[in-house]
Amino acid sequence: SQTIHQWPATLVQPVGSPLSLECTVEGTSNPNLYWYRQAAGRGLQLLFYSVGIGQISSEVPQNLSASRPQDRQFILSSKKLLLSDSGFYLCAWSVQTPVASGAFFGQGTRLTVV
Amino acid sequence: QKEVEQNSGPLSVPEGAIASLNCTYSDRVSQSFFWYRQYSGKSPELIMSIYSNGDKEDGRFTAQLNKASQYVSLLIRDSQPSDSATYLCAVNIYGDDKIIFGKGTRLHILP
Repeated sequence: SQTIHQWPATLVQPVGSPLSLECTVEGTSNPNLYWYRQAAGRGLQLLFYSVGIGQISSEVPQNLSASRPQDRQFILSSKKLLLSDSGFYLCAWSVQTPVASGAFFGQGTRLTVV
Repeated sequence: QKEVEQNSGPLSVPEGAIASLNCTYSDRVSQSFFWYRQYSGKSPELIMSIYSNGDKEDGRFTAQLNKASQYVSLLIRDSQPSDSATYLCAVNIYGDDKIIFGKGTRLHILP
């Protein structure tokens, strides 16, 4: 069966520090991968998605970036965090062309920028 | 601008009653629709998917889709206190790989 791992579960970082969140998927090949952010009391905002190695689509201009160095690995990064980057970051995967399958989420990383 | 709209709630429903959650979407070529349940502090969990007009039933859950009206709903029969959560509606756009979410509806089942 497919599993998705995301770490760390919680993170407290000072303003201006770098960020690296990692996500890996097991049990499937060539998945679509997604990064979402959920601010307190708000919905899920799609940040990036990827349909293959090295292929990244950005949805929201900001100081975050994403990379997919391997088929089942997705990394979210920032060079300098802002207070507004605080939130619940969720990695998800789906099959290619997710017509009927939807996306499946990792446990999430709760990031607090102080 | 493609959007998924949900009433934020909270929606309060007595235990044992039917909870009805609604979602509208702006893009006429949206293809698939999903309902997720999210408990406080946890990640969303997929509970239903639907891509054809009509009803789809799974246990106590029924998803209803009307593409002409751009409307999808989720009915929860025999509501239980454990159903208290935020329910997120999501849409996959035809020919695209994005899955777009609404802001969610908070559901509270009253014991």
